[in-house]
Amino acid sequence: AQTVTQSQPEMSVQEAETVTLSCTYDTSENNYYLFWYKQPPSRQMILVIRQEAYKQQNATENRFSVNFQKAAKSFSLKISDSQLGDTAMYFCAFNNAGNMLTFGGGTRLMVKP
Amino acid sequence: GAVVSQHPSWVICKSGTSVKIECRSLDFQATTMFWYRQFPKQSLMLMATSNEGSKATYEQGVEKDKFLINHASLTLSTLTVTSAHPEDSSFYICSARHGGGGGTLYEQYFGPGTRLTVT
Repeated sequence: AQTVTQSQPEMSVQEAETVTLSCTYDTSENNYYLFWYKQPPSRQMILVIRQEAYKQQNATENRFSVNFQKAAKSFSLKISDSQLGDTAMYFCAFNNAGNMLTFGGGTRLMVKP
Repeated sequence: GAVVSQHPSWVICKSGTSVKIECRSLDFQATTMFWYRQFPKQSLMLMATSNEGSKATYEQGVEKDKFLINHASLTLSTLTVTSAHPEDSSFYICSARHGGGGGTLYEQYFGPGTRLTVT
């Protein structure tokens, strides 16, 4: 079974600064997908970024980028130029090219003005 | 595109009654839908996976007779909490997986969730 671990229950960052959220996972699979989801106070799950394991290049989406280290089974999320609207719970998730998503425990991010 | 709706967004019911939650994919066909439960300040826990036209697959520890799931069409799945009790109070989230191929095959699109309170 796959496991996803987010070791930072809570983090804070000053507006306009950069923050990195950590995620590690455990799997014996070679082909899989990794995701970061954002859950703001509205509780709507929003996909932030996706990474295919077979791609060596790290995914980027505007201010969001990942550092994917396949050998280390690490998948961190970097948020640049943090904005107040980035305040949310962030979940790292793993999909082994099958059906289900396995979520980490989440990191609560607070962006301070 | 890829919008998923849930209805109702919140519901309060009395202990012993049943509650039905609907999950709809509005602009795509969802061959697979998922139901999650989320307690306050916790992560999402997968309850069951439903494929259109077949029985749902429940995760270990989830009572299938209590949480009835029906996926009768490619755009609608329902979760019925039967004989609800206060401990069933939670936030229930559905997601849908696109039936097409390509890069979005393994991506799930989430509904806005339903807050259930059982008194």
